[in-house]
Formats: sequence, C-alpha cells, structure tokens
Amino acid sequence: EAQVTQNPRYLITVTGKKLTVTCSQNMNHEYMSWYRQDPGLGLRQIYYSMNVEVTDKGDVPEGYKVSRKEKRNFPLILESPSPNQTSLYFCASSLFPDSRSTEAFFGQGTRLTVV
Amino acid sequence: GQQVMQIPQYQHVQEGEDFTTYCNSSTTLSNIQWYKQRPGGHPVFLIQLVKSGEVKKQKRLTFQFGEAKKNSSLHITATQTTDVGTYFCVPPGGGADGLTFGKGTHLIIQP
Repeated sequence: EAQVTQNPRYLITVTGKKLTVTCSQNMNHEYMSWYRQDPGLGLRQIYYSMNVEVTDKGDVPEGYKVSRKEKRNFPLILESPSPNQTSLYFCASSLFPDSRSTEAFFGQGTRLTVV
Repeated sequence: GQQVMQIPQYQHVQEGEDFTTYCNSSTTLSNIQWYKQRPGGHPVFLIQLVKSGEVKKQKRLTFQFGEAKKNSSLHITATQTTDVGTYFCVPPGGGADGLTFGKGTHLIIQP
C-alpha cells in the first residue's frame, strides 16, 4: 500500500528539548516536503527536498532543520523547540514537485505541543 | 509557485443544500489539483484538471477548469455530513517550490 508514515502522531515536549519527527514514504518519490498547519493560516511549507542530499527552505523554515540521506526518509528536526512551534505538522511526498506531478501523498500528521 | 485565491474561506450550509468553492488565478495555470481534508485528518487528493474547459464529476462533486485556465470550481450537490472538511485548490508548483496549499475553504454542515 502506498503510504507516507509519520511518527509520532502526538508529542508534548518542553521548550528547548531537541526532537525529531520522522517521515518515510514507500513510493520511491523524489520530492518530499514538510508543512505546518495552524488555525487561520492554512498549510505552510517549512522545508522541501528534491532528492537525496538536496534540501531547501520553504516559506517558514526558521527553527527547523531537515535531512535527506535516503530517498525514503525525510526527518524534521527541532533543535530547540519553542511554544510558537506548537502546531500540526504534515509530511508529504510526490513523484515530482511541479506540474508533472499527479498528486501529493500526505502522512497522518503530528500534533506537537511545546510547553 | 503560482498563487491562487480561494473563496469563500468559510461556508455554512444546511445538510442537503449545494456548495461551491471558487479558485482564481491571475495567470494561466497548466493544471489545478483539488484536495480534501476531513476534520482531524490529512489532505487527500481528489482530482487534477488539465484541459481548458474541463469538467469532471465524482458522484455529487463536480470540478470545472475555466476556458482560460485561470479559474476552477468545485460544486457539491446536496451536501451530506460526510462532506464536512476543508477543500484546497492547488496550483502547480514552480519548479522546486512544490505545492502551495493556502487556507482552503472550510465547509461546515448543519444537520
């Protein structure tokens, strides 16, 4: 079954404690990205990756890091989480990032609370 | 990536009423995608429109792509409680930028 798997689904952490949200896809997609979703602000892109070892900033990259060492995995790293990073996070993958793509597949989401 | 304006941002309807959300671009789009996100869920791809004037139907959902390929709409006939959620129209990504989802239209259905 084609899927994007995120873990954990829910996480409560304290300010400053490093955390990683994992994302894995089994469709051999080249393109992966991270979004955060906040009430009234919609889905905003944090980081994206065109392929292995190729990553770039999206619209709201401050406070986040990513890595793409393998094609299937694209972890999101918060080195020093702050309360304003409390949000719902989605990982997505697609064959291509642009108009050639047929669709994007999303993970189930990670609800992060930073206290 | 390209930008679109989606309206309305919120729509309340009585169950059984019709619903339409509109998506407008200032530039010509090569295609437009539509996604649905149920409350508590993740966005799920519904359809991609590519041709000028294209109309596609999925049961009670009708998707249209304008003749000039600058606008699109999603119409739901006789809404049901299962239609509740946020609908996103998504223009093609600009190269490496990927897909821009924006705020979508939140459909709220009153029984």
